Amino acid sequence: QQPVQSPQAVILREGEDAVINCSSSKALYSVHWYRQKHGEAPVFLMILLKGGEQKGHDKISASFNEKKQQSSLYLTASQLSYSGTYFCGTDQGGSEKLVFGKGTKLTVNP
Amino acid sequence: NAGVTQTPKFRVLKTGQSMTLLCAQDMNHEYMYWYRQDPGMGLRLIHYSVGEGTTAKGEVPDGYNVSRLKKQNFLLGLESAAPSQTSVYFCASSYGTAVKAFFGQGTRLTVV
Repeated sequence: QQPVQSPQAVILREGEDAVINCSSSKALYSVHWYRQKHGEAPVFLMILLKGGEQKGHDKISASFNEKKQQSSLYLTASQLSYSGTYFCGTDQGGSEKLVFGKGTKLTVNP
Repeated sequence: NAGVTQTPKFRVLKTGQSMTLLCAQDMNHEYMYWYRQDPGMGLRLIHYSVGEGTTAKGEVPDGYNVSRLKKQNFLLGLESAAPSQTSVYFCASSYGTAVKAFFGQGTRLTVV
């Protein structure tokens, strides 16, 4: 069962912030975040493990609330290069499967 | 350092034909996955493998078969292609589910 991402799409102006959410009906052991540019393969951003941690690099960070079975990706002071589709991936219930959501399309305009 | 390599990159099939997509990784990863990507549907897991000689069904396995005879290779087969299998197929590999997965560049398959 795919995790649920919201919103489906978001349009920003350069410098604005965005939050992308990922939730699951099953317990999560890890949450992955990837970004995909049009016509390219998904690229790894970060992974959060069970324990309610928060990670980040540069102006992109994420949190993981295992009790609520959800994760959020935070993009601050967005840049044109942030445009793409963001996917969260989860191993629901500690399974060996890595299942992705439907994605959130982010467009950053000048 | 090749990473994950998918062959072929593009293919056009006629309905009813069969074909095999090859995924090869040189990172000694145990886990390998096959996904299909369709507009608005995200990445959907077809089949996966957690080691040489093992395979398991994902979320959308119907119409596909897989084999993992060698650790570095994961093959996806279409026995009798249908237009509904027109998609972009991605292979990924990793050491496990709680670590980074590496994706291949994708195979664009069109079934006419």
